[in-house]
Amino acid sequence: AQKITQTQPGMFVQEKEAVTLDCTYDTSDPSYGLFWYKQPSSGEMIFLIYQGSYDQQNATEGRYSLNFQKARKSANLVISASQLGDSAMYFCAMREGDSNYQLIWGAGTKLIIKP
Amino acid sequence: DADVTQTPRNRITKTGKRIMLECSQTKGHDRMYWYRQDPGLGLRLIYYSFDVKDINKGEISDGYSVSRQAQAKFSLSLESAIPNQTALYFCATSDLQGRAETQYFGPGTRLLVL
Repeated sequence: AQKITQTQPGMFVQEKEAVTLDCTYDTSDPSYGLFWYKQPSSGEMIFLIYQGSYDQQNATEGRYSLNFQKARKSANLVISASQLGDSAMYFCAMREGDSNYQLIWGAGTKLIIKP
Repeated sequence: DADVTQTPRNRITKTGKRIMLECSQTKGHDRMYWYRQDPGLGLRLIYYSFDVKDINKGEISDGYSVSRQAQAKFSLSLESAIPNQTALYFCATSDLQGRAETQYFGPGTRLLVL
């Protein structure tokens, strides 16, 4: 079974609108971390935001926030006031456990912001 | 200057050639990783190193080897390149351990094997 599922292969959003990118995960480990990365067309992989399974509050970093719904096993990325520069691939990833080095990656969502 | 650098940024080579991709970091991190990304897919781990004397295979290490020359340098070699090794290769580093460990990536190397 897929550990990380990103159900939206592609999205078009009007500039200045808010965007929600979906990510659901599957783990039986009570301790885990969830990550979002952005990959623009230039190719680099940019870390955006992190949410720990024990964190009481949703993570926020500037215009990025994470809508963490633990019971539903979802960790959706919300981008407020989208900009043309937000056009990119977005990947959700998970680390299970406290001693596990490996990240499990989703297939990504391609986001295109329309002017 | 970038914290994690990769050279070359682009490389075209022929089947059977041996090539080396290099990664350097100024973040002072102990952990370093090599990944490959194929079009439309997430990342797959090739090798990882927790320090200079600790090197481990990832999920797709066949056909690859690595060298950790120093804390700051981690090289990936393709012993005899083949076309299905055409991909985008990333080096990453991290220091914090545990579930919050965040990996920081280099700019990537685009490799084309003809």
